[in-house]
Amino acid sequence: SQELEQSPQSLIVQEGKNLTINCTSSKTLYGLYWYKQKYGEGLIFLMMLQKGGEEKSHEKITAKLDEKKQQSSLHITASQPSHAGIYLCGADNQGGKLIFGQGTELSVKP
Amino acid sequence: NAGVMQNPRHLVRRRGQEARLRCSPMKGHSHVYWYRQLPEEGLKFMVYLQKENIIDESGMPKERFSAEFPKEGPSILRIQQVVRGDSAAYFCASSRTNTDGQGDTFGSGTRLTVV
Repeated sequence: SQELEQSPQSLIVQEGKNLTINCTSSKTLYGLYWYKQKYGEGLIFLMMLQKGGEEKSHEKITAKLDEKKQQSSLHITASQPSHAGIYLCGADNQGGKLIFGQGTELSVKP
Repeated sequence: NAGVMQNPRHLVRRRGQEARLRCSPMKGHSHVYWYRQLPEEGLKFMVYLQKENIIDESGMPKERFSAEFPKEGPSILRIQQVVRGDSAAYFCASSRTNTDGQGDTFGSGTRLTVV
């Protein structure tokens, strides 16, 4: 069965710094989703990547899917306290369901 | 267009009671997926339903848990005789077909607390 591993598990950065979160799959990725979750709240959809080499950006957040389609990275430029939360990657398992990484908890110190 | 609606947002049950969680998919969506997020754990798939059919229940606990998606009305996740270990956030997502991405159609979740 497919597994997703996120790294790091937690991250503390100073406001204004850049950061990267990685999501590595044990199998080829056919659809990779990134979400943000505030503690105790629902999932906020960030973006979806499908093609190898694809890159998407939303405000200061950029996500890439590598050419071999087994890893994705999420990069935040000039982090702000509003970026704090748990970032989850999810992969389309091709049976309709999604499998998720364990999450990366981001704290941004003002 | 209303998104995926889940209710209640918060549910408190005593051990041994039944919990019923409801999920109304987006308009035009006939596929529903339930996920569970246990404290300190990631999101785990539970069950995938299409109208009146269970397609994949590989993530459902063998006992006490059931799900349905009737022809009319919301999908229901039912937990009988709840125990403290059932305390978690339960999310559902929907899609129009089984090949359409469901990524951006998650509900806000139901947080179940068993006391």
